Amino acid sequence: KQEVTQIPAALSVPEGENLVLNCSFTDSAIYNLQWFRQDPGKGLTSLLLIQSSQREQTSGRLNASLDKSSGRSTLYIAASQPGDSATYLCAVGFNQAGTALIFGKGTTLSVSS
Amino acid sequence: GAGVSQSPSNKVTEKGKDVELRCDPISGHTALYWYRQRLGQGLEFLIYFQGNSAPDKSGLPSDRFSAERTGESVSTLTIQRTQQEDSAVYLCASSLLQGRNSPLHFGNGTRLTVT
Repeated sequence: KQEVTQIPAALSVPEGENLVLNCSFTDSAIYNLQWFRQDPGKGLTSLLLIQSSQREQTSGRLNASLDKSSGRSTLYIAASQPGDSATYLCAVGFNQAGTALIFGKGTTLSVSS
Repeated sequence: GAGVSQSPSNKVTEKGKDVELRCDPISGHTALYWYRQRLGQGLEFLIYFQGNSAPDKSGLPSDRFSAERTGESVSTLTIQRTQQEDSAVYLCASSLLQGRNSPLHFGNGTRLTVT
């Protein structure tokens, strides 16, 4: 059974700190991996999409890496801000159609000012 | 609108009643997905529509759940004879193309509470 695990479940940091969120998956035969952000009462916002052939993607202060062989992805957030407070979800795509998209339970991040 | 729109945003219903949830995808997006997010759980895939192809219903938890989509536009998710276990946030997502290059765009979800 394909499983996606995110550690830690919750994280609290002071403003300005750099941080790393972790995502691990059990099956290395993936098509892609996405990182999402979810704010309370809101839907998910796609942050970064990494194709299976890629090692990393960057957008602003965010950098996501992918290591298929070890079944891991990390989301690096530089110079964290209170506005970064949200739940971050990792989703691993195991087929081309996107129907086998398995989500982790997320890491809830709180950045204090 | 620019994003995926879902309605209603909140729905409270009595056990045994039927409910219908609506999703308006981003214009031009051929792929549409329904997910369910129970409290404290990850998202569960329910159903997928791609153009005029037969939908992938492999994630529907029971025959009380059904969904329709007209062409590449609006989709409705119907839950018949609701149970308390159906309480969750139902999220709709669309993407421009299926496959590895197209990120999903999610709506804000419908929070369903079955009393």
